[in-house]
Amino acid sequence: NAGVTQTPKFRVLKTGQSMTLLCAQDMNHEYMYWYRQDPGMGLRLIHYSVGEGTTAKGEVPDGYNVSRLKKQNFLLGLESAAPSQTSVYFCASRLTSGSSYEQYFGPGTRLTVT
Amino acid sequence: AQSVSQHNHHVILSEAASLELGCNYSYGGTVNLFWYVQYPGQHLQLLLKYFSGDPLVKGIKGFEAEFIKSKFSFNLRKPSVQWSDTAEYFCAVNARGNNAGNMLTFGGGTRLMVKP
Repeated sequence: NAGVTQTPKFRVLKTGQSMTLLCAQDMNHEYMYWYRQDPGMGLRLIHYSVGEGTTAKGEVPDGYNVSRLKKQNFLLGLESAAPSQTSVYFCASRLTSGSSYEQYFGPGTRLTVT
Repeated sequence: AQSVSQHNHHVILSEAASLELGCNYSYGGTVNLFWYVQYPGQHLQLLLKYFSGDPLVKGIKGFEAEFIKSKFSFNLRKPSVQWSDTAEYFCAVNARGNNAGNMLTFGGGTRLMVKP
């Protein structure tokens, strides 16, 4: 199993440009999450999904949109990038049932907006 | 809403020194608690987790953590650190009950540097 993968690994955008980050998991997990990581602030939840076709807002959703058209994929979109969105973005997934609430993380995408 | 505080932002230790990283959370209900580690340039990996039972939890690489409910704390410890423990450590809380997405709330992280 590849686990959780993210595409691309690095990206530089100009202010106002758009892009989509792709997260894929092959563990048949129901729940998927997008976080951003900024120095001294830990990870903050942007959006999440509890199943195919469903999405919900997290702690910092403004400026981002998401879609979960297939169970294994969770897309994060930036329609008009701003310098404040310069960050490292992590995707995670987990099972719904069972005793483990562990989230499994992808390798991250480093985004710079100039 | 729950919050998580990690008191030490940066810690520098020499090899073989003992480590304790503080983590406090604010939530009055039942919680699941986690410590994740992020080695330089890598993604987050689970060190250990607490769901119920024995409040002293042992994880990988010699790490352990103790859940003290009365203090809302889940401090991470290691008796003797190694250079390879240099990383950033994150405490995280899952508030059980009113948490439809089973979301984790993370602390701000503690950056540990171990000098050889």
